[in-house]
This record gives sequence, structure tokens and C-alpha cells, in this order.
Amino acid sequence: DSGVTQTPKHLITATGQRVTLRCSPRSGDLSVYWYQQSLDQGLQFLIQYYNGEERAKGNILERFSAQQFPDLHSELNLSSLELGDSALYFCASSPSPRPYEQYFGPGTRLTVT
Amino acid sequence: GQQLNQSPQSMFIQEGEDVSMNCTSSSIFNTWLWYKQDPGEGPVLLIALYKAGELTSNGRLTAQFGITRKDSFLNISASIPSDVGIYFCAGLLDTGRRALTFGSGTRLQVQP
Repeated sequence: DSGVTQTPKHLITATGQRVTLRCSPRSGDLSVYWYQQSLDQGLQFLIQYYNGEERAKGNILERFSAQQFPDLHSELNLSSLELGDSALYFCASSPSPRPYEQYFGPGTRLTVT
Repeated sequence: GQQLNQSPQSMFIQEGEDVSMNCTSSSIFNTWLWYKQDPGEGPVLLIALYKAGELTSNGRLTAQFGITRKDSFLNISASIPSDVGIYFCAGLLDTGRRALTFGSGTRLQVQP
């Protein structure tokens, strides 16, 4: 158990819909990262937040957005969903002194039908 | 896009054998990390490397940060069935980019 929690574990929705994925980082970690992993693919970095502010952006679509709240939990919002958005979405957090030792949550499996 | 070449893509070995996998790039990296992912689970951090030439062990796992800073390898000694999974390398580019770049993974299967 990495200490990072994600909800829900599974999500099935229809094209065109909007969903929100939630992540709580490890206690004390200020950085949160979001990744997308499609079937049998590597991890694609989407976005990073540090202490409530956006810190780095990867290949995140305009239909996707994220935020980090004062209690440090983060939400990833996916809108106008397409079939190709079906994937595992992982959240990771890292301790401030070593921001690149990232600890991953169990993921949310999104299925768009 | 991917800037890390991870090989081999997959391996099928017998229990007890040693395993070696590596990541290479044309770019210079400041940090190398190795993760293991079990099916349907999140990646678990195995080893982190921060200096060129650094050799670090974690139980039966040993990883090295290449001298050129463009590669890293992971060795697993005396493999056991629970070593099965996908191993990912990840690196931090020496460009100031604050996000990790992940390799495409090595799928390891161990025959008891």
C-alpha cells in the first residue's frame, strides 16, 4: 500500500459524458501527478500540482482539467468523453525533498462505451 | 512522445534465473527510477538513482545509473514467481522539465 488513494476504482460511462476522478496523496506529500495508461501502454504524464498550484503540464487534452485543493487532494475532470479516453488513470504523489520519487495510487479504470 | 527505449519488451524465464533489462536514450537524464507494475495495480517504486555511475541494490534487485547519463539497467537475481509483472524505467530529463518520462515496459514471466 503506497498510501495514495484513488476513487472510484472503476467507472463506466457513455461518450459525451463528464467524470471526476479523485486522489488523496500520501500524508505530507505536496506534489500530485496524474497519468494515463492505455491498454498495454506505458504511462503518459498529464499534469502535476504542487501545494495547490499547477507545476507542469504534459500531454493533457483541453477536454481534461485538474485541480488540487487546500487539503492537498486532487481531482481530474474528464469531459466530452470519447471511446479513446478509456484507460487506467493513475495519481502519484511525491515528498517535497525528492520530488521525483513518485508513489502511485491503485488507479481508476475508466471505460467509455 | 517516448524518449526512452526499454528492452527487452518481454522475457520468459525459469525460476532461479537472473534477469537483466535496460533503458537507453539519446538524451541526458538526471534521475532514473525503476518501477514494477502488477496487473490492474499502480506501479511500485523499486529503486531510485540520482548520480551517474551510482549502483543501488534493493534485495535481489540491483540498478545502475549509466556513466553517460543516457542509460540505466536493472538486474534481478535468482528470480521467483512473484517477480512476474511489468517493469518500467523512468527518467528525469536534464532539460529542466519537471515530469518523468517513462519507458514502454518490460513484461517478465517466470516459470516455476
